[in-house]
Order: sequence, then structure tokens, then C-alpha cells
Amino acid sequence: VQLLESGGGLVQPGGSLRLSCAASAFSFSSYAMTWVRQAPGRGLEWVSAISGGSGTFYADSVRGRFTISRDNSRNTVYLEMNSLRGEDTAVYYCAKKARYSWGPGSMDVWGQGTTVTVSS
Amino acid sequence: QTVVTQEPTLSVSPGGTVTLTCGLRSGSVSTNYYPSWYQQIPGQAPRNLIYNTYTRSSGVPDRFSGSILGDKAALTITGAQADDESDYFCVLYMNTFEVFGGGTKLTVL
Repeated sequence: VQLLESGGGLVQPGGSLRLSCAASAFSFSSYAMTWVRQAPGRGLEWVSAISGGSGTFYADSVRGRFTISRDNSRNTVYLEMNSLRGEDTAVYYCAKKARYSWGPGSMDVWGQGTTVTVSS
Repeated sequence: QTVVTQEPTLSVSPGGTVTLTCGLRSGSVSTNYYPSWYQQIPGQAPRNLIYNTYTRSSGVPDRFSGSILGDKAALTITGAQADDESDYFCVLYMNTFEVFGGGTKLTVL
């Protein structure tokens, strides 16, 4: 069971970036997926989630700027990030939720993360 | 300010017992918040230890246990080992949001 993030990089304030998270060795369409970020030297912050049925959920800090989506045919979840700010600089992790719908429970599989740096 | 509170640092002796707590800046933590606990070794991805207050994740040693103590969620490590030295984060499920605490840096010495 594996998650592999990609798409991070350096972007200017106000710019956009799309992160991808490719899943393998589990029935991807059967589980909710989520993104969690960690700013340098800081704690974890939940960012967004998508249920197996593609219902979407966002933290207040990113709502209206970030869009989560999934392509079950590609076993991939995406995070489209627009209007990026310095405070969005972080390692972004994707994680699998141990359930189909978004709700409480374990985030039981995590990727290794991809780094996003927002700076001019 | 962090809504979910944790001790910034704690220490424990090898073989000892330590309890990390997870509270709310305003109010009490109950099982209705489905508290979970994650361990993160610096530079690595988090690992789920406990979910839904008490349930150990697959492969987690039974020296880790979750509970509610008073008005807080708690993670107790019994018989601490050197490789338990790590950062620990609790997370509460609140109205479709997952809200992380600021984390506890645990030193084993």
C-alpha cells in the first residue's frame, strides 16, 4: 500500500500549482482521501478531503483557493492550489482515510510528502 | 492560537510511563470528538497510533494506549523505549474538520 505525491516546487505569491497523489496496492475508489500540510518547523494542519463519492471538504484557510479532486481510473487524488501565499509554504502530505465517506477515523496510510515553497 | 492544546514538550525515562494530553482551549474533549494520535519522527511522514479515542492502529505496540482523562484525550506510553522519542500530534474531528493540536515533543532520557 503506497501513496506517492508529486507536483511541489517553487512558485511566486499569487501563483498556482497542482499536486498529485498516486495510490497503489489498495482499492482506491473505496476510500476517502485527504491532504495535510506541515509548514517548516511547525505542526500538522489539515487542508482538504474528498470522500469516495467525491464530496469535498476544506479548511477555512484554503477554502475558495484550493480544489481537491480525484480520478478513480488513475488512482490519483489532486490538489489544485491557486492564489498561493507565503503561509502556504509547507510539505504537503496526502493520506488515505480508513473509510469511504469523510468522517472520523484513522488516516492510516501516508505519502512521504511534496514540498511547496511560495516566495518571490 | 491553536484550538487544540498539547504539552509542547515532555520527557520520560527509558522503561517509564508518560501521558500526553489533548485538550480544547474552550471546552472538554470527549469521545464525540473521536480523538486520534499520530507519531512523527522528524523528516518522516506521520504514523497513526490511536483512532476513535481508544483503538490502536494495525501494528502499533500495546504499550501505546488512548483514553479520556478528565476533560482531555490522553495517550499513555507504558514502558517507554528509546525509539519512542518523537513528535506526537493529536487530532480531533470537529464538524467535518480534522483539527490538529500543536504537537508534543517527547524526549526519552
